[in-house]
Amino acid sequence: DTGVSQDPRHKITKRGQNVTFRCDPISEHNRLYWYRQTLGQGPEFLTYFQNEAQLEKSRLLSNRFSAERPKGSFSTLEIQRTEQGDSAMYLCASSLAGIRDTQYFGPGTRLTVL
Amino acid sequence: AQKVTQAQTEISVVEKEDVTLDCVYETRDTTYYLFWYKQPPSGELVFLIRRNSFDEQNEISGRYSWNFQKSTSSFNFTITASQVVDSAVYFCALSDKNFGNEKLTFGTGTRLTIIP
Repeated sequence: DTGVSQDPRHKITKRGQNVTFRCDPISEHNRLYWYRQTLGQGPEFLTYFQNEAQLEKSRLLSNRFSAERPKGSFSTLEIQRTEQGDSAMYLCASSLAGIRDTQYFGPGTRLTVL
Repeated sequence: AQKVTQAQTEISVVEKEDVTLDCVYETRDTTYYLFWYKQPPSGELVFLIRRNSFDEQNEISGRYSWNFQKSTSSFNFTITASQVVDSAVYFCALSDKNFGNEKLTFGTGTRLTIIP
């Protein structure tokens, strides 16, 4: 069974540029989550999809952030006009909704904004 | 609001010693789930265990064991006979059952170093 994959693994960008990350969940999983992790902290929830519907967004997700999951499979997270404070690890997780719903995480995308 | 506290930021033990990682949580939900994840230096979070709020039985898996005590809102994790490969950051997490969404609230993690 293929795990969650994320692309790219590392991204360095200049302040003000736009960046887009991709997440491919485990194939049968209908839920997909995005988290952000800064140095020395635990992951913080950003947003969540069930199939293609975005059901919840954290107030951490400013209007510069947008996420999509157009066909209920892969998801993209875009950050517009990046700021240095956006530098973090962006983690994607997927799960199969049900009584034993457990989130499995991808390797993350490390973003550095110069 | 949900909260997870891992008071131990860093622990170092000599290989083969036992070590316990503490986790205390706060929630107003009566139904909730608790998790432990391991984050090795490679960065990927690895799922270790999931526990629901109705099951207070302790669990053992090889060298790992978990002690869930609802009365003290704690879900502690013990590694017996530690090995160098256990060196990692360990996160405790709590699910949010609001509207059936199980988004996770994580603690700040405990960095465990096993000294050979």
